[in-house]
Amino acid sequence: DTEVTQTPKHLVMGMTNKKSLKCEQHMGHRAMYWYKQKAKKPPELMFVYSYEKLSINESVPSRFSPECPNSSLLNLHLHALQPEDSALYLCASSLPRGKMGAANEKLFFGSGTQLSVL
Amino acid sequence: KNQVEQSPQSLIILEGKNCTLQCNYTVSPFSNLRWYKQDTGRGPVSLTIMTFSENTKSNGRYTATLDADTKQSSLHITASQLSDSASYICVVSIGDTGFQKLVFGTGTRLLVSP
Repeated sequence: DTEVTQTPKHLVMGMTNKKSLKCEQHMGHRAMYWYKQKAKKPPELMFVYSYEKLSINESVPSRFSPECPNSSLLNLHLHALQPEDSALYLCASSLPRGKMGAANEKLFFGSGTQLSVL
Repeated sequence: KNQVEQSPQSLIILEGKNCTLQCNYTVSPFSNLRWYKQDTGRGPVSLTIMTFSENTKSNGRYTATLDADTKQSSLHITASQLSDSASYICVVSIGDTGFQKLVFGTGTRLLVSP
């Protein structure tokens, strides 16, 4: 299994809603990432979890709340979002760095959740 | 400032033709360089990964080159197919932390026309 699975694929929510994005991988990867991608722009890093601990928060507004319940799952909880938060949200995972060599540092991306905030 | 620049921004070629996409980077400390293919509305898919000691790496009809001295990379696509229409993103990995810190280029949007 070399997949990162994201659900849902599409999500439409109002500004007062609470929703969650889910990401799952069973490749034994201990680093998991959330990226946000606007149309025709490169992905922007939001959060990194390393060994289930939050390692990077790229100054993301608190209306985005990540959670890593175990080594296979990554969630992104959404509350009181703004229309400008509409984007493709990508989850990714990778092996720990260093000992395996660059060939094994491949970052596996999920297909993303296309989020629209009305 | 860590930066990855790609050219051209967009490209249209006829099916069956070859093309070359360019990537220049100023990133420190450099770890490796990757090329990703991204279809619209989908996650990026890795094509190649190269460290500074590798000059060329191929993946089917895709061949990436890296010149670590000039900090330039290219992605050559041979005998293009309609399914090659996508964005191609050059990504440089930096640092030596336990997870990956990546600098993304803005991508080249390729359209292969029949």
